[in-house]
Amino acid sequence: SYELTQPPSVSVSSGQTANITCSGDNLGDKYACWYQQRPGQSPVLVIYQDTRRPSGIPERFSGSNSGNTATLTISGTQAMDEADYYCQAWDSSSHIVFGGGTKLTVL
Amino acid sequence: EMQLVESGGGLVKPGGSLRLSCAASGFTFSSRAMNWVRQAPGKGLEWVSSISSRGSSIYYADSVKGRFNISRDNAKNLLFLQMNSLRAEDTAVYYCARGPYGDYIYWFDPWGQGTRVTVSS
Repeated sequence: SYELTQPPSVSVSSGQTANITCSGDNLGDKYACWYQQRPGQSPVLVIYQDTRRPSGIPERFSGSNSGNTATLTISGTQAMDEADYYCQAWDSSSHIVFGGGTKLTVL
Repeated sequence: EMQLVESGGGLVKPGGSLRLSCAASGFTFSSRAMNWVRQAPGKGLEWVSSISSRGSSIYYADSVKGRFNISRDNAKNLLFLQMNSLRAEDTAVYYCARGPYGDYIYWFDPWGQGTRVTVSS
C-alpha cells in the first residue's frame, strides 16, 4: 500500500519560514494536498493540486511537489499557524492516503 | 455557505453497530463525491470510505472493508456510514468531507465538525 511520511514535528521562530515535507514514492506524479488542523477543530484544506490555495487561505501558504517530496511552505509564520499539518494524496490502489501529520510549533 | 453536520455518534459495545449521518447544505450535494475520514484519539487522519455522486462507485479502507457500508440519499442531501462489528480500534472522531468536483476524490473541502464514536464494554 502507498505511504506518505512526514516529520513528527517542526519548529519555527515567529516571522520566519516553515517548511514541512511529505515523502512518498513518485509523489510528484500525484496530486498532493495539505490540511491544517488546530487543536479541537476540524481539518481545513490549505493547499490542493500541489500548489493551489483555496479562497480564504492566506498567501503566506504555498506548496510544491516534485520527485518523491511535496513541501508546504509557510512564509512569515504567525502564532495562529501553530497547528498539526497533514499531507494527503490519491493513489490508484490505496485511494486516499494521509501522512502521519506534523506538529508545527511557532516559537 | 457550505455546511456538513455529522450526527449519530456515541458509545457502543464491541461487536455492536452504529449508523452515522451527515447532513449537507449550501452546495449541490448530488453532484459531488462524499467521504468519511476518522481520527482516533491523539492520532492522525485515516480515510475510511468514499462514494461517487450517484452512489455507483464505492471505496473502503482495508481496515473497515466488510464491516462498514457507505450510502447516500441525494433527495435529502444526506450521507451515511453504517458501522457493524465494531471494534475498540474503531474509536475515533468521524468526519464527513466533500470531494473537489464531480466524482473525483483528490482532496476534501469542506469538512464537518465530526461525531465521536467510542467502542468500549
